[in-house]
Amino acid sequence: KQEVTQIPAALSVPEGENLVLNCSFTDSAIYNLQWFRQDPGKGLTSLLLIQSSQREQTSGRLNASLDKSSGRSTLYIAASQPGDSATYLCGEGNTGNQFYFGTGTSLTVIP
Amino acid sequence: DAGVIQSPRHEVTEMGQEVTLRCKPISGHDYLFWYRQTMMRGLELLIYFNNNVPIDDSGMPEDRFSAKMPNASFSTLKIQPSEPRDSAVYFCASSLGRRNSPLHFGNGTRLTVT
Repeated sequence: KQEVTQIPAALSVPEGENLVLNCSFTDSAIYNLQWFRQDPGKGLTSLLLIQSSQREQTSGRLNASLDKSSGRSTLYIAASQPGDSATYLCGEGNTGNQFYFGTGTSLTVIP
Repeated sequence: DAGVIQSPRHEVTEMGQEVTLRCKPISGHDYLFWYRQTMMRGLELLIYFNNNVPIDDSGMPEDRFSAKMPNASFSTLKIQPSEPRDSAVYFCASSLGRRNSPLHFGNGTRLTVT
């Protein structure tokens, strides 16, 4: 089983601040990496997907990067808002189409 | 598209009872995954199917757990007999299985075994 680690486990920031969430993985056969958002009592919503041949993806205030050689991905959130408060998970997909997840970072944006 | 649909949303049962969780994947998706989420262990992959065929069930905790996918639009996860330690949120997810295809999750079934 592949290991996916997310740091920090929890993060609290004031509104408007830029922030970075970290994800590290051990799988050398990575196929793609996805960042998800999970709100309490809900499923996971895909935010960004980076294919193994790509280095980054952007959507609005979100930017995700992938460095296969170091086994790391980051999710950058610009100008954070209270509505960004949620748990963010990274999921690593391998060539066998198995997806493994970190335990997530719980983000609180304080108004 | 309605997304991945799971039922029931909540299930409360007594230890020893049989529990069946249901999932309808997104139409056209040929991969279906069952996950279990707990505070202690996070999201664990239990089993996944490709074109209705189970590919890897190494994550299924024990023989009390079984999963089927009789057709492309329906899958079940069954626990028999259920135990309190099975209490968790069970998610179903589906994808097209391509490098640029995101994984789509249902809203999950919260199972409580008393």
